[in-house]
Amino acid sequence: KAGVTQTPRYLIKTRGQQVTLSCSPISGHRSVSWYQQTPGQGLQFLFEYFSETQRNKGNFPGRFSGRQFSNSRSEMNVSTLELGDSALYLCASSLMGQENIQYFGAGTRLSVL
Amino acid sequence: KQEVTQIPAALSVPEGENLVLNCSFTDSAIYNLQWFRQDPGKGLTSLLLIQSSQREQTSGRLNASLDKSSGRSTLYIAASQPGDSATYLCAVRGAGNNRKLIWGLGTSLAVNP
Repeated sequence: KAGVTQTPRYLIKTRGQQVTLSCSPISGHRSVSWYQQTPGQGLQFLFEYFSETQRNKGNFPGRFSGRQFSNSRSEMNVSTLELGDSALYLCASSLMGQENIQYFGAGTRLSVL
Repeated sequence: KQEVTQIPAALSVPEGENLVLNCSFTDSAIYNLQWFRQDPGKGLTSLLLIQSSQREQTSGRLNASLDKSSGRSTLYIAASQPGDSATYLCAVRGAGNNRKLIWGLGTSLAVNP
């Protein structure tokens, strides 16, 4: 069974641009969560989607948004990029009713110049 | 507001040593606590999950304890091996309606042959 797949693995953008990251969960997993990881702040929860609906949201500005498609694949978008958005973005998927057990992708490393 | 602290931030030990990683949290109203391992380029792997009603969990050479009243958890690694080198993260899931994971910054472990 394939794991959680995140694309692209690495991305370089400049300030003011926007970016879209993609996450394909494990087959059968309908819950997808996104996290931002930086050296100073560690992992911080961005949002969680289940069956195409945002179920939970972290404390990030409105420039960070996401969505989930009917096949459970999820995308997150960051508009008007800032230098501080440079981070590793991790996606995790889980089975319905087993949200405690999350399987993580390898992440997308975003560098904003 | 829940805060999770991990000590030490980095640890370097010779192969074969037994070692203890520490995690503390400020709000004892937790649902569960998890220890994860993060390898560069490979995402996160869940090692042990301790429910709030449990005192410890064991998996192979790993043993995690939980003392909710004092807000502490320890991860004990027996007979460390070079393959144990990674960053170890502690994450706490809140009780009640707030089930988001709150993460520590991690302990970077190097086991030297």
